[in-house]
Amino acid sequence: EAQVTQNPRYLITVTGKKLTVTCSQNMNHEYMSWYRQDPGLGLRQIYYSMNVEVTDKGDVPEGYKVSRKEKRNFPLILESPSPNQTSLYFCASSLSRTGVNTGELFFGEGSRLTVL
Amino acid sequence: GDSVTQMEGPVTLSEEAFLTINCTYTATGYPSLFWYVQYPGEGLQLLLKATKADDKGSNKGFEATYRKETTSFHLEKGSVQVSDSAVYFCALSQRSQGNLIFGKGTKLSVKP
Repeated sequence: EAQVTQNPRYLITVTGKKLTVTCSQNMNHEYMSWYRQDPGLGLRQIYYSMNVEVTDKGDVPEGYKVSRKEKRNFPLILESPSPNQTSLYFCASSLSRTGVNTGELFFGEGSRLTVL
Repeated sequence: GDSVTQMEGPVTLSEEAFLTINCTYTATGYPSLFWYVQYPGEGLQLLLKATKADDKGSNKGFEATYRKETTSFHLEKGSVQVSDSAVYFCALSQRSQGNLIFGKGTKLSVKP
């Protein structure tokens, strides 16, 4: 089954404790992206990647890191989480930039992160 | 920069009521326009799209027409069902950039 898988789905952590949210897709997609969803703000892009070893900042990259060492994986790293990073995070993938432009963006089920 | 503005929610309707969710955009050139839907506890999924002016996207009884003169892409459905309860996001993409810009989302609740 074609899917985007995120882990963990739920996490409660404390300020400053490094964490990684993993994202994996099994569709051989080139494009991957991370969004955060906050009430009243909608979805905002954190980072995206057009292909292996190619990553770019989105609208709200501060406090986050990403890597794209393999095509299927795009982990989101919070080196020193803070309470303002409490949010619902979504990973998404698409075959290519063209796929994004045609709406073929596939989302994971989300990871709800709480930073105390 | 490019942006998308949606009507504020939440929107609460009775089953079989008519639905309109307004969406306007600001963008240079000719972006592609989308409506995504997020059902409770799930990720977003594409509902419908339109890639050029006057195109009408449709799916599952929902429709939206790309109006360049009013820079709008309003979502409509003639008769909503309880199962349509979800958050709806309007979005645009520019071919040169390949990234989606989302509106803030509109939560729809349909009561039986």
